[in-house]
Amino acid sequence: DAKTTQPNSMESNEEEPVHLPCNHSTISGTDYIHWYRQLPSQGPEYVIHGLTSNVNNRMASLAIAEDRKSSTLILHRATLRDAAVYYCILSGSNYGGSQGNLIFGKGTKLSVKP
Amino acid sequence: GAVVSQHPSRVICKSGTSVKIECRSLDFQATTMFWYRQFPKQSLMLMATSNEGSKATYEQGVEKDKFLINHASLTLSTLTVTSAHPEDSSFYICSASVTSGITDTQYFGPGTRLTVL
Repeated sequence: DAKTTQPNSMESNEEEPVHLPCNHSTISGTDYIHWYRQLPSQGPEYVIHGLTSNVNNRMASLAIAEDRKSSTLILHRATLRDAAVYYCILSGSNYGGSQGNLIFGKGTKLSVKP
Repeated sequence: GAVVSQHPSRVICKSGTSVKIECRSLDFQATTMFWYRQFPKQSLMLMATSNEGSKATYEQGVEKDKFLINHASLTLSTLTVTSAHPEDSSFYICSASVTSGITDTQYFGPGTRLTVL
């Protein structure tokens, strides 16, 4: 499975943008980039995913490097409720059957200061 | 949409007893569900992949006779921890897979905290 590298922790101030980086230099052509987050004592929550183009949804934006070897999750205005562990995960496409296994790394623990 | 529930949310049991955890997809059908385990201050570890109507696929090191998985319908998978011991105390989380385009997105349940005395 392709591996990702994320900083162990990051800090942000409330209402400021947050850029969470992820390196995935061994990504294959069919790997999607998924982001999940986990609040304390809860199951992970889907945030966003993408393949090549940048993606936006109501929660965040995903900026993918042209060579796809890195990506950045962007929270446009951090709130206290965004404090969580953010996981960047590569997952293969499901050609001919699901390859949807997610391998969780240690993620980035985001702290948000009021 | 894409809500997954787990029951119970918390269970305390005596050593040697068996515990059943249910995972339901509430507003969609899921051919594939996954079971994870998370120890304190660690990341999620995939235990097994549960496919409706067939046997589960277990990850290396996970005892299939100890962690029984049944995926009886497209909305329900159960994990039974048999003869539980204190080392089985953990946070168990399930997820259900939804196909969007040519990739799958997993939606997770809220987790079940198991404490074995």
